[in-house]
Amino acid sequence: EAGVTQFPSHSVIEKGQTVTLRCDPISGHDNLYWYRRVMGKEIKFLLHFVKESKQDESGMPNNRFLAERTGGTYSTLKVQPAELEDSGVYFCASSQGVLAGGTFFGPGTRLTVL
Amino acid sequence: DQQVKQNSPSLSVQEGRISILNCDYTNSMFDYFLWYKKYPAEGPTFLISISSIKDKNEDGRFTVFLNKSAKHLSLHIVPSQPGDSAVYFCAASAIQGAQKLVFGQGTRLTINP
Repeated sequence: EAGVTQFPSHSVIEKGQTVTLRCDPISGHDNLYWYRRVMGKEIKFLLHFVKESKQDESGMPNNRFLAERTGGTYSTLKVQPAELEDSGVYFCASSQGVLAGGTFFGPGTRLTVL
Repeated sequence: DQQVKQNSPSLSVQEGRISILNCDYTNSMFDYFLWYKKYPAEGPTFLISISSIKDKNEDGRFTVFLNKSAKHLSLHIVPSQPGDSAVYFCAASAIQGAQKLVFGQGTRLTINP
């Protein structure tokens, strides 16, 4: 069974540009999450989808970030316009049940904003 | 305001010895705690968890201890093996946000042969 996949693995953009990150969760997982790790610090929650609905978006830093989950399948996270402080590793995760231990993470997208 | 803290950024242990990784939390609403292991260029992988109704959970070489009064948990790995070298993240969740994880900064564990 395929795990959580993310694309691209790396992205380097200039300040002010737009970047879109994609996540494909494990098939059948209704829950999809985005997390971010900035500069070797803690991994921070961004938001949580249940199917196509946003369950919790309390971690989204500002309105330059837009997350969507089309048809309850894959998800995209768009940053527009990107700022220097947006650099970091963006992780996507998915789960089927409610136990946090059943959450599977993707390999992450490393975003560098110059 | 960091609710989960791992105060040791790195730890070096000799192969075969015990590795002890520590984690402190501040939010009393947390009732489920997890440890994740992360290799370079990979996402975190679930290792072991513990519910707040327990004080110990064991899985093979890995044991997690929870001290609720001190708001402290620890992960013991014994015996330590070279493949255990990775970054370990402590995470917590609250019953009302069971699926939202709050992570610590991570501890880089190096097992020396």
